Amino acid sequence: QVQLQQWGSGLLKPSETLSLTCAVSGESFSDSDSYWSWIRQAPGKGLEWIGEIHRGGSTIYNPSLKSRVTISRDTSNSQFFLRLSSVTAADTAVYYCARGLQTAWELAGYWGRGTLVTVSS
Amino acid sequence: DIVMNQSPDSLAVSLGERATINCKSSQSVLHSSINKNYIAWYQQKPGQPPKLLIYWASTRESGVPDRFSGSGSVTDFTLTISSLQAEDAAVYYCQQYYRPPRTFGQGTRVEIK
Repeated sequence: QVQLQQWGSGLLKPSETLSLTCAVSGESFSDSDSYWSWIRQAPGKGLEWIGEIHRGGSTIYNPSLKSRVTISRDTSNSQFFLRLSSVTAADTAVYYCARGLQTAWELAGYWGRGTLVTVSS
Repeated sequence: DIVMNQSPDSLAVSLGERATINCKSSQSVLHSSINKNYIAWYQQKPGQPPKLLIYWASTRESGVPDRFSGSGSVTDFTLTISSLQAEDAAVYYCQQYYRPPRTFGQGTRVEIK
């Protein structure tokens, strides 16, 4: 069974860079046919798709965040990463990592538990 | 971007009754060559990540009770809970995964009446 464990910086000041890690277990990360994504949820709000990384390493980002977002991966350690630069209070949210299904790569079939990131001076 | 609009924003349903949530996309999410609609439905309970219920608009994820069903095509979709149970109180989201950004509806809160 695929499991996602995530961690990272929980409290940031404005203008700092958010960094999160998602570790994948229960499968061979480098052999998996799927997409891995990051999704966030501001307090009391809905879900916002941030972007995804594909098996070959290519990435797609939400245009609303594209200038500040980087998603990368380390296949040898079965991890993928989110970096979001120049954060503001508007970036305060629970950040989730997710993985698609074998039959539907693009959606979020498996989820991490979420990491609350608070941006405050 | 494909905009997803859910209705209603909230609804209260008695135990054992039917709950229906609608989701409308601003563009077609039907991949005509494979005849699949790129729509997923998620359930989210407080303090938990969302849980995938339905994908390809009508395929139930493994382990999801059969009281949950999805229907619709092209731009109009529905999630139906045929006989509401207490544990179904949650917020439900639709998502299109046809094109990036893979947008979500605003969510529908289902409460027990």
